[in-house]
Amino acid sequence: GNSVTQMEGPVTLSEEAFLTINCTYTATGYPSLFWYVQYPGEGLQLLLKATKADDKGSNKGFEATYRKETTSFHLEKGSVQVSDSAVYFCALKASNTGKLIFGQGTTLQVKP
Amino acid sequence: GAVVSQHPSWVICKSGTSVKIECRSLDFQATTMFWYRQFPKQSLMLMATSNEGSKATYEQGVEKDKFLINHASLTLSTLTVTSAHPEDSSFYICSARPELRAGGPETQYFGPGTRLLVL
Repeated sequence: GNSVTQMEGPVTLSEEAFLTINCTYTATGYPSLFWYVQYPGEGLQLLLKATKADDKGSNKGFEATYRKETTSFHLEKGSVQVSDSAVYFCALKASNTGKLIFGQGTTLQVKP
Repeated sequence: GAVVSQHPSWVICKSGTSVKIECRSLDFQATTMFWYRQFPKQSLMLMATSNEGSKATYEQGVEKDKFLINHASLTLSTLTVTSAHPEDSSFYICSARPELRAGGPETQYFGPGTRLLVL
């Protein structure tokens, strides 16, 4: 079946540190991949997406590359800020069902 | 950007009571709304998909008589947890998808979630 696995949090970093949040998936067919972010008290927001292998999604300094050979979509940012503190969800949209399948979320805490 | 609200943001209730959660799209019309549930340290799990004016489609394993969904208008969907029990305690999140002309098929806007605790 379709599933998404993320690294467990919380991830605690100092400001300007490099961020990686790992995400791997299992899917039938060719899914689209997404990263969502949820800031405290707000709804999930789409951060970036990639729709096919080797695509790179990017937004607000965050990047993730769709790696079909390793079934991964790791989220990276070169220099995090305190304002990046949030919960990050990796997700896939299954090509056979069209539904979003989420990982469990990873909490990022950035300290000044 | 598009805003989706949920009410209440958290609720505590006694076992056996029913709880209604509202999901509203504030600045767009949503023909489709989704309800998810998240247990601690687990994934968001899709519970059901509701289309305005028609019956909701429930995911496998979700009891439709326990989780009543009503999508009576293009801006409001409600989830009622009937005869709630402690195992229903969870974080419930809705999302709304605008009418197709306003966004692509992947466009979903999420509410902030409702935390339910059943004692």
